Amino acid sequence: NAGVTQTPKFQVLKTGQSMTLQCAQDMNHEYMSWYRQDPGMGLRLIHYSVGAGITDQGEVPNGYNVSRSTTEDFPLRLLSAAPSQTSVYFCASGDREGRGNTIYFGEGSWLTVV
Amino acid sequence: GDSVTQMEGPVTLSEEAFLTINCTYTATGYPSLFWYVQYPGEGLQLLLKATKADDKGSNKGFEATYRKETTSFHLEKGSVQVSDSAVYFCALSPFFTGGGNKLTFGTGTQLKVEL
Repeated sequence: NAGVTQTPKFQVLKTGQSMTLQCAQDMNHEYMSWYRQDPGMGLRLIHYSVGAGITDQGEVPNGYNVSRSTTEDFPLRLLSAAPSQTSVYFCASGDREGRGNTIYFGEGSWLTVV
Repeated sequence: GDSVTQMEGPVTLSEEAFLTINCTYTATGYPSLFWYVQYPGEGLQLLLKATKADDKGSNKGFEATYRKETTSFHLEKGSVQVSDSAVYFCALSPFFTGGGNKLTFGTGTQLKVEL
């Protein structure tokens, strides 16, 4: 049972570098999303997608890009990394939209920008 | 906008003690409410949920009741174990169509259970 798989688990970037966090799910979920987790702030939604070819912004989208070319994959791109993007990133997926749907999370990607 | 407020931690308890972690929310209509748990170095796992007023979610000895009148969803367990040590997040998803699966989280409460 793979569920939601994220790579890499740990990454150190220099300011200004770009990178992509990969996320894949094998549950045929229509909904996928990215959150960042910062101390004392819980998790905040970055971007989400309700199906292949459809993406939208969450609460904190600046500095991040996403695309959804397949149902399975939802990569998160950092265009020009900044120290403020040092965080733990979680990818999540869920079945089609509805009340009380369970959202499944990956194990997280720890990103440090120096 | 929607928000979730939960008690600050860390909370340290002895094994077999009673646990309460308070959670209150602000949202339009009738959101769905969740408790997620995060063990060290892992992602979040759904612990329990409730989708309408007076519903009680329960799992692994944990319980929480959706109280519309007090906009609360407090997490309780009668007897905690060392293995319950983790960070607990209260969260909600919106009532309206189109809000769907977007979760708003509280800041998390760290629980440490000692022998």
